[in-house]
Amino acid sequence: GENVEQHPSTLSVQEGDSAVIKCTYSDSASNYFPWYKQELGKGPQLIIDIRSNVGEKKDQRIAVTLNKTAKHFSLHITETQPEDSAVYFCAASISAGNMLTFGGGTRLMVKP
Amino acid sequence: DSGVTQTPKHLITATGQRVTLRCSPRSGDLSVYWYQQSLDQGLQFLIQYYNGEERAKGNILERFSAQQFPDLHSELNLSSLELGDSALYFCASSPNSLDSVLRNTFGSGTRLTVV
Repeated sequence: GENVEQHPSTLSVQEGDSAVIKCTYSDSASNYFPWYKQELGKGPQLIIDIRSNVGEKKDQRIAVTLNKTAKHFSLHITETQPEDSAVYFCAASISAGNMLTFGGGTRLMVKP
Repeated sequence: DSGVTQTPKHLITATGQRVTLRCSPRSGDLSVYWYQQSLDQGLQFLIQYYNGEERAKGNILERFSAQQFPDLHSELNLSSLELGDSALYFCASSPNSLDSVLRNTFGSGTRLTVV
C-alpha cells in the first residue's frame, strides 16, 4: 500500500520567515495530494491540494509543489504569522482507491 | 464550523465495553469517512461509506464496524475496547465518491478514552 513520509516533525520559524514541509510517497499511482492544517482541539482542515497533472499551485501565502518523478511534494508558507502555528499533514491518494494516506505531521511554531 | 457534526465530543469508557460514535455529514455530501488519530499511529483511514454502501476499507479492526443510514448520517461502533483504542476519531465527508478530488471536510472529532 501507499506510504507517506513527512519531514520535519517539528519546525520553528520567526514571524515573517518562510516555512517548508516536505513529503515523499511510495505509490507512483497516487494522483491527489492534499495538505491539511490541524489546530488544537479541531479536526484537520484542507488548506490546499494538487493533482498529479500540475507541478505547482499557489493560494496567497501558501504554495505546493509536486515532483512526480521523484515522488515528493512540498508545502511552502511565506511571510509566516503566529496564526499559522498548527500541525500540518500531507496526504496522498489513488483516486480509484478513494482513501487518503497521511504523513506523520509537522508541528509548525511561528514565534512573534 | 465545518458543517460535519460529531457526537459525543468526549467519551470515557472501560475496557471490554462497546461504544457508538455518530457523524452527520455536511448537507449534500454523500460520502462519509472515518479516521483514527493516535499518538503512535498518526492519522489513519478506517472506512468510507457512499450513499449507504461501504466504499473503501482501510486499517479498521474486526472489532470495529460502521454503517451509513438512509439520512446519510453514519455511526462507528467500537466493541471489546482495549486501552490502545484510546484516540481521536474523526469523521469527514465529501460530495461524492466518484470525484477523484477527495476534498474531505473533517468534523471536530470524538475523543475516546478507554480506562
